[in-house]
Amino acid sequence: AQSVTQLDSQVPVFEEAPVELRCNYSSSVSVYLFWYVQYPNQGLQLLLKYLSGSTLVKGINGFEAEFNKSQTSFHLRKPSVHISDTAEYFCAVSDRIYNQGGKLIFGQGTELSVKP
Amino acid sequence: DTGVSQDPRHKITKRGQNVTFRCDPISEHNRLYWYRQTLGQGPEFLTYFQNEAQLEKSRLLSDRFSAERPKGSFSTLEIQRTEQGDSAMYLCASRPQVSPYNEQFFGPGTRLTVL
Repeated sequence: AQSVTQLDSQVPVFEEAPVELRCNYSSSVSVYLFWYVQYPNQGLQLLLKYLSGSTLVKGINGFEAEFNKSQTSFHLRKPSVHISDTAEYFCAVSDRIYNQGGKLIFGQGTELSVKP
Repeated sequence: DTGVSQDPRHKITKRGQNVTFRCDPISEHNRLYWYRQTLGQGPEFLTYFQNEAQLEKSRLLSDRFSAERPKGSFSTLEIQRTEQGDSAMYLCASRPQVSPYNEQFFGPGTRLTVL
């Protein structure tokens, strides 16, 4: 079984400041890792994913995340945020077992609020 | 628009009524997933289909919930005798069966309010 913990429920930050949203996971098997963003009253949009290889993953809208296997973390970062980045961010995992369901296990979410 | 679509976007009902939601996945995506998202929480897996076969159901899917995908295309999620605790956003997602990773493409969701 897998579980995901997002360590901050709310992160307020000023525009153009850097931000880090923290995510830790637990799993007995190898996993894929994802970050999704959800704008108000909308579905989820994939920001980035980690499959294998380089531990630094770049995504859309200037976001990047670093996979740390020893700390079982997958923190999301952006060097300079914009007002338009205000949204809910979800970290998720999925097992790598071939031909299994591939359901996503989500964290509780982090609300990023960018202030002018 | 070739994305995942859901209908309706919003549904308000009275406790005890039955409701049905529809999801149209991306064409040729033979896997379809349902998730429930309550306020302030992340989405939780409910069930998934591969073509028309329902292959996994979460324990969250009580006997008041039923999902179908009769022709392996669109899917419906029905809730019978709704309760206030059913108020949530219901999200649908799809993906190809063979995928190098398990990325799922989400619809806009159906927000259910039970009065």
